[in-house]
Order: sequence, then structure tokens, then C-alpha cells
Amino acid sequence: EVVLTQSPATLSLSPGERAILSCRASQSVGTYLAWYQQKSGQAPRLLIYDASKRATGIPARFSGSGSGTDFTLTISNLEPEDLAVYYCQQRGNWLTFGGGTKVEIK
Amino acid sequence: EVQLLESGGGMVQRGGSLRLSCAASGFIFSDYVMTWVRQAPGKGLEWVAAISGTGGNTYHADPVKGRFTISRDNSKNTVYLQMNSLRAEDTAVYYCAKDVQGSVWYFDLWGRGTLVTVSS
Repeated sequence: EVVLTQSPATLSLSPGERAILSCRASQSVGTYLAWYQQKSGQAPRLLIYDASKRATGIPARFSGSGSGTDFTLTISNLEPEDLAVYYCQQRGNWLTFGGGTKVEIK
Repeated sequence: EVQLLESGGGMVQRGGSLRLSCAASGFIFSDYVMTWVRQAPGKGLEWVAAISGTGGNTYHADPVKGRFTISRDNSKNTVYLQMNSLRAEDTAVYYCAKDVQGSVWYFDLWGRGTLVTVSS
């Protein structure tokens, strides 16, 4: 099983700042990685797939990068509505999720 | 309207069974892999099972293999999760989700979830 480790566990930033979230895989998954946003009480929402492709309707301030074992989700110009937990998911070897990063807005 | 609607959750005793349903609308159901993902209270996401568009191929995560079975009825646009021999650790909100492009195993449409509580 591919284990995905997300860091940091919590990120506290002010509106307008840039958030950088990390996801590290225990073995290479190529670019078979996605990012989801989950707001409190809601279902997850697909943001990024294949490491860097934005899903339909996702603002350009959300961007993904990386390959192999190291991946990054960048949220530019943070907005109050970005308060959420962000999960990475790989499909290179079965399917697993990371433990999540909580983004707090100061 | 494009949507998924889960049903069938509830409280069940340890060792009992439950069948979840997920009704789809607004897209060509048989064209897409469907999956179940669960989330224990206060915890992260855990993949449970997936099924191909035709239903001919099914996949189950190790923690549920041999106890849970995913299936689908394309004539009813519905995917199911039969859960047997339930354990306390199966307590979670269960979400069904649709593949973003057919069979790439990323999921862009999710239901609201249905809560399963296993009591001891």
C-alpha cells in the first residue's frame, strides 16, 4: 500500500498570503495524484488531478505540482472561503488518501 | 441536475448487515467508475471499494475485503454497498463518488454521505 504523508498538519495564514501544502508518497506514483478540498460538514471537492490539472470550475489560484514521491498544492492569494481540510489521493497503486492538512485563516 | 444521493445508513449492531444505495442522475451512469469512500468521525478519508462502468470489475480495500461487496444496477442508475459482519471501526459517513473522466480513479462528483453507526 502506498502511504501518503501530508504536511504540515495545520497551516494558519492571513487572507492574501500563499499556502503551500505538501504530500509525500512512500513510493513513486508518477503523476497519478489528486488534491481535494473538504469544508466542514461537506463532501470532498476535487481541485487538482494528475498532479497539476485543475478540475472544472476550480480557480486558477489553486495549482499543483510534483511527480514521483513529492507533490505540492499551492493556494495563492488565500481567501476566507479557503478554510478547509485538504487531502491528497494517489491512484498509482490502488487508491489511498493522505491524512489531510487543515488550513486556518487568521 | 447532476447529483448523487446516498441512502440506507443507520445504526446496526456489531456483526450485523446493512446495504447502502447511491442513486445517480444527470449523467450517463454506465460510462463511469463509481466508488465508495468513508470517513470516521473526526478522521480522514478512506477508500472502501470501486466498480467499473459495466460492473464487471470490482475492487475492495483490504479492511473490508470479504465483508463488503460493491455492485451496480445500470438500469436503475444505482450503485450499492452490501456491508456484512460489521465492526465498530466501520462506523463512518459513507460517500459515493463518480469518476471524473470514466475510469481514471479521481472523483469529481460526490454525494452528501450517509452515516453508518455500528454499536457494540
